[in-house]
Amino acid sequence: DAKTTQPNSMESNEEEPVHLPCNHSTISGTDYIHWYRQLPSQGPEYVIHGLTSNVNNRMASLAIAEDRKSSTLILHRATLRDAAVYYCILRGYAGKSTFGDGTTLTVKP
Amino acid sequence: DTEVTQTPKHLVMGMTNKKSLKCEQHMGHRAMYWYKQKAKKPPELMFVYSYEKLSINESVPSRFSPECPNSSLLNLHLHALQPEDSALYLCASSQGYLGLAGGRDNEQFFGPGTRLTVL
Repeated sequence: DAKTTQPNSMESNEEEPVHLPCNHSTISGTDYIHWYRQLPSQGPEYVIHGLTSNVNNRMASLAIAEDRKSSTLILHRATLRDAAVYYCILRGYAGKSTFGDGTTLTVKP
Repeated sequence: DTEVTQTPKHLVMGMTNKKSLKCEQHMGHRAMYWYKQKAKKPPELMFVYSYEKLSINESVPSRFSPECPNSSLLNLHLHALQPEDSALYLCASSQGYLGLAGGRDNEQFFGPGTRLTVL
């Protein structure tokens, strides 16, 4: 299975943008990039996904490098409620996805 | 209703006990999943059911036995567990499973998990 690499932790100030990077150099042509986040004491929740083009939704934006070997999840204005572990996941045709180790985001007031 | 429910929230069991975890969804999803999550680690896929048939078993020991009685319900039967099996067990569901992962059909909805302690 393709692997993802993320920084262990990142910090942000409230109301500022946050850029969470993910490396996936072994990505295949049919792998989609998914992001989930897990708030304390909860199950993971879907954030965003994409294939080649940048994507936006109400929660975040996803910027995908031209060679698709890396991507960045962008939270435009971090709030205290965004403090969570963010997982970057590659999901292929067979539907199987493997969670990376994740980035713990701390948001300071 | 976009909720996946799991019962019980917490479970303590001895190594000789038999217990079951239950997961339910009423979103009409046809794929359901069991994950195991140890503290400060990412979830690890255990089983996937698609249209009530077992599609993936990630080499999980036989002391874990999944069951999908109908499209809304997923059980995980536990027997002769070891202390190292103590973890958070997460259930998830999605509209679809196989095929290209681009559509929102493959978005997984997770339950809050069952915290299992094996003594």
